[in-house]
Amino acid sequence: QQQVKQSPQSLIVQKGGISIINCAYENTAFDYFPWYQQFPGKGPALLIAIRPDVSEKKEGRFTISFNKSAKQFSLHIMDSQPGDSATYFCAASKAYSGAGSYQLTFGKGTKLSVIP
Amino acid sequence: SQTIHQWPATLVQPVGSPLSLECTVEGTSNPNLYWYRQAAGRGLQLLFYSVGIGQISSEVPQNLSASRPQDRQFILSSKKLLLSDSGFYLCAWRRRDSHYGYTFGSGTRLTVV
Repeated sequence: QQQVKQSPQSLIVQKGGISIINCAYENTAFDYFPWYQQFPGKGPALLIAIRPDVSEKKEGRFTISFNKSAKQFSLHIMDSQPGDSATYFCAASKAYSGAGSYQLTFGKGTKLSVIP
Repeated sequence: SQTIHQWPATLVQPVGSPLSLECTVEGTSNPNLYWYRQAAGRGLQLLFYSVGIGQISSEVPQNLSASRPQDRQFILSSKKLLLSDSGFYLCAWRRRDSHYGYTFGSGTRLTVV
């Protein structure tokens, strides 16, 4: 119930195309869903996040789509650029309960390659 | 603003040698702190987390240990490194009372030879 399943494992997209990465979760107590972007040799950086009270959040070329009933969320990268080539991780966590640590559960990552 | 510092950036150590990786956070207090390991081309494996000084929770039993001697300092240690300890080690912090995501450090690339 703590898993977040991410697909695909790797993705090759032409420059200008749309990159789509999908994640699914089981735990209905999850209520915070961030995406992280990691370049080789660097730590992951928060890219965009969504709460389940909205179905979509857009920041520039990056959009999260959220389907609460299906327990799925996805990252869409519009007009993909070679500079977007990185590994992307989805994650989920439960609401803060006021006690202890609440952790992010990460997907296994998607390596995106955008070719010119 | 908050910053997280992690060092060293790279480390090559012989099998059987000790290890000490340090992580410090500035600009916040009472952070939750985390150590992750990432094998080459793999996902993020949570090793330890801490909600306060001296409070350490281990997620994966192994050859490593963690300590939090000060509020904003988190140390990852080993008495004797194994070849399998090689990897990319990441420290992260999160505000205790918020719903924000983690902020990761820049990582330490450890190669055990």
